[in-house]
Amino acid sequence: AQSVAQPEDQVNVAEGNPLTVKCTYSVSGNPYLFWYVQYPNRGLQFLLKYITGDNLVKGSYGFEAEFNKSQTSFHLKKPSALVSDSALYFCAVRDINGGSQGNLIFGKGTKLSVKP
Amino acid sequence: NAGVMQNPRHLVRRRGQEARLRCSPMKGHSHVYWYRQLPEEGLKFMVYLQKENIIDESGMPKERFSAEFPKEGPSILRIQQVVRGDSAAYFCASSPGTEEWETQYFGPGTRLLVL
Repeated sequence: AQSVAQPEDQVNVAEGNPLTVKCTYSVSGNPYLFWYVQYPNRGLQFLLKYITGDNLVKGSYGFEAEFNKSQTSFHLKKPSALVSDSALYFCAVRDINGGSQGNLIFGKGTKLSVKP
Repeated sequence: NAGVMQNPRHLVRRRGQEARLRCSPMKGHSHVYWYRQLPEEGLKFMVYLQKENIIDESGMPKERFSAEFPKEGPSILRIQQVVRGDSAAYFCASSPGTEEWETQYFGPGTRLLVL
């Protein structure tokens, strides 16, 4: 079965420091990986995705993610964190083995807290 | 281009009542997905619909829950005889197609509270 794991419930970073939010996946076949961000009482906003090609994917708001096939990871990164980046971050994988190949399988989420 | 729209944003129901949640996909999108987010948890897939068709309802509870996406109008997620355990945020997402690489765009969600 396909799955996504976000091993950290919370990540604390000082403003201006680099941040990493971890994600590992388990799929059979090629993975299609996504990162979303959720601000309090809001919907999910798409940040970036990996389909194929370059292992470093650049996305919205200065975020990027590195796809590592050997480690089955897709960690989200940003060189310099902002207080406004504080939110809940979700990693997801497309369920390509499901009946419809349509839905996303989400991790439990990682709460990012950036302190001034 | 308006994003995915959901209404109501907040819904309060008493046990045993019905809840109707509406979702209008982004313009040009014909694929709609419903997800449920329980407190302190990630999103769980419920159902995937195209116009007038349910494609995959494997994540939907077998009883009390139903979904539709008519030819005209929004997609509707209906919960009959609600119980306290139905309290959650329900999110709708849409995409233009169903290719594996296509991004799903999410609405703001409907937060259902069952008293």
